Amino acid sequence: ILNVEQSPQSLHVQEGDSTNFTCSFPSSNFYALHWYRWETAKSPEALFVMTLNGDEKKKGRISATLNTKEGYSYLYIKGSQPEDSATYLCAGSNTGNQFYFGTGTSLTVIP
Amino acid sequence: NAGVTQTPKFQVLKTGQSMTLQCAQDMNHEYMSWYRQDPGMGLRLIHYSVGAGITDQGEVPNGYNVSRSTTEDFPLRLLSAAPSQTSVYFCASSYSRTVPGNTIYFGEGSWLTVV
Repeated sequence: ILNVEQSPQSLHVQEGDSTNFTCSFPSSNFYALHWYRWETAKSPEALFVMTLNGDEKKKGRISATLNTKEGYSYLYIKGSQPEDSATYLCAGSNTGNQFYFGTGTSLTVIP
Repeated sequence: NAGVTQTPKFQVLKTGQSMTLQCAQDMNHEYMSWYRQDPGMGLRLIHYSVGAGITDQGEVPNGYNVSRSTTEDFPLRLLSAAPSQTSVYFCASSYSRTVPGNTIYFGEGSWLTVV
């Protein structure tokens, strides 16, 4: 079992603020790291798939970085909007067969 | 585009009953898996399959069976439902485990309550 941890557990920010959260994972035998956005009663939606140390990916106002040597990834949201409110999940794998999810960071953006 | 389809969306079972959650994908994905989601626990892997005829256990397999007779279908069977199996279940698929950059696609979830 791969121990994937996310912090903080929840976050409330004002509309327009920028924010970031962390996903940490064991750095040995790294295979891939995924970030998902998950709204209640919907299926998790893939944001980023990251595989290489130093990877930086961006989709609109959301970006992510990956450090496989130290075992962490950051997700950044610039200028948060109420529609960004969701739970953000990361999942790590060291084999490609089994992906282990963190417990997520619940983001609430206050208008 | 159907993607990953799960049925039923909601189900109430009595303790001891058995049932099957159906999962189908139309993307010709090799890899399929089942997760359960419980409050404060994130998504936990129950069983997975890397291709037709091949299945393996994940993190929390007890009380569940799976089979993969075709590439498209990956049903999850609850043998004798227990209240501890009350959860939201997600089926997921991806193209191949041999390519680390593959995206995992999720179904919409099945809400199961065992009373």
